[in-house]
Order: sequence, then structure tokens, then C-alpha cells
Amino acid sequence: DAGITQSPRHKVTETGTPVTLRCHQTENHRYMYWYRQDPGHGLRLIHYSYGVKDTDKGEVSDGYSVSRSKTEDFLLTLESATSSQTSVYFCATRDYGDTQYFGPGTRLTVL
Amino acid sequence: GQQLNQSPQSMFIQEGEDVSMNCTSSSIFNTWLWYKQDPGEGPVLLIALYKAGELTSNGRLTAQFGITRKDSFLNISASIPSDVGIYFCAGQLGSSNTGKLIFGQGTTLQVKP
Repeated sequence: DAGITQSPRHKVTETGTPVTLRCHQTENHRYMYWYRQDPGHGLRLIHYSYGVKDTDKGEVSDGYSVSRSKTEDFLLTLESATSSQTSVYFCATRDYGDTQYFGPGTRLTVL
Repeated sequence: GQQLNQSPQSMFIQEGEDVSMNCTSSSIFNTWLWYKQDPGEGPVLLIALYKAGELTSNGRLTAQFGITRKDSFLNISASIPSDVGIYFCAGQLGSSNTGKLIFGQGTTLQVKP
């Protein structure tokens, strides 16, 4: 357990509205990741960060943006939510080894 | 994009039975990882493999890094009810410091007491 919290844990929103999900860690890990989990697809990387203000795209980044203004927080923003973004979102952190520690997840439903 | 093919997709077994699952890829990976996800929680790392042919155990779990570096296997011996969950394989490309992983689709395991 790397002290990762995600907020909110559940959210229902409407198509076209902006949504921001927050990941907070207490372990001072350098790397942070956002994944989405959908049935039949496993986990897919959306964006990741390798330091404060340093971010890069993952394999499914369209429609998402991220920001990391301090080590402990990594925000994922859906500028205009669509129904295809209904999913469970996981945040993960990593120090310098291979182990990624995952948060508890946020279940997002876009109506 | 790159994909990992994980099989089987699901298994329903009797307590005490052994379980085998595998992951294959068209790409070569330098690191293979196996994660378990309990219902309603995030995945947790079970085993990490770093060398082709490597066999590593963690209690009743044994995983192997395939010789071709394009596949990996996970075995669970003498299954118990708490083994229920989704098992994911993940591959890490090259020596990427970014730690970017490609995940398989998952194997859902159910154990009947």
C-alpha cells in the first residue's frame, strides 16, 4: 500500500460536462500513471508523469488531459465527457523499481 | 498498438485444484509482471520476471518468463477461495525508465469451495 487515494470514488455525469479526477499519494514517488479498465481490455494507459510538470501520453490519451503541479497530486481531466469514457479509472505510482502501486479506483458513468 | 493475449479469459474451478494461465505477445518484453485484482480494488503485484527462462515462486504461485521473451505463464497450486479475482499479465518494453506497461485482458478466476 503506497498511500494512494483517489477522489471521487464514484461519479455520474452527463455527456458534454467537464470532469476532473484526482490522485493523491503520500509516498513521494516520482512516477504516476492514469489507466482505464474496461471489460475485455484489461488496463490501458491514458497518461503518465515522470515528475512535476512532466507528463506524456499513453495509448488511449484522446479526450483526456493531465496536470501535475506537485509531487503528490496527479489530476486527470475529461474536458467534455462522452459515453465512451464510462469506465473505471485507476491511478498508480512508482518509485525507481518496477512495482506500480495502484489506487482503489474511480467508477465514472457518463450518461 | 501492442497487445498481450491472455488466456483463458475465465476459469471456474474446485478448491484444491491447480490453475494455469498464460500470456503471449508478438513483441519481445524485457520484464514480465503478474498482478492480481480483488473485487472492488486496484491490482497488486504478485511476481516480477526479468530474464528469459526465469522461474519464480511466491508461495503457491509460480511464474515463468518464456524463452522467446514473447510469453509468460502463471500457475497456482492447490487453489483456495481467496484466490478469487482477476489475474493480469503485463509486459514492460525495453529498459524504459518510464515504466510503461502493456496489460493483458485478464483471467477471471472463481473457486468453488
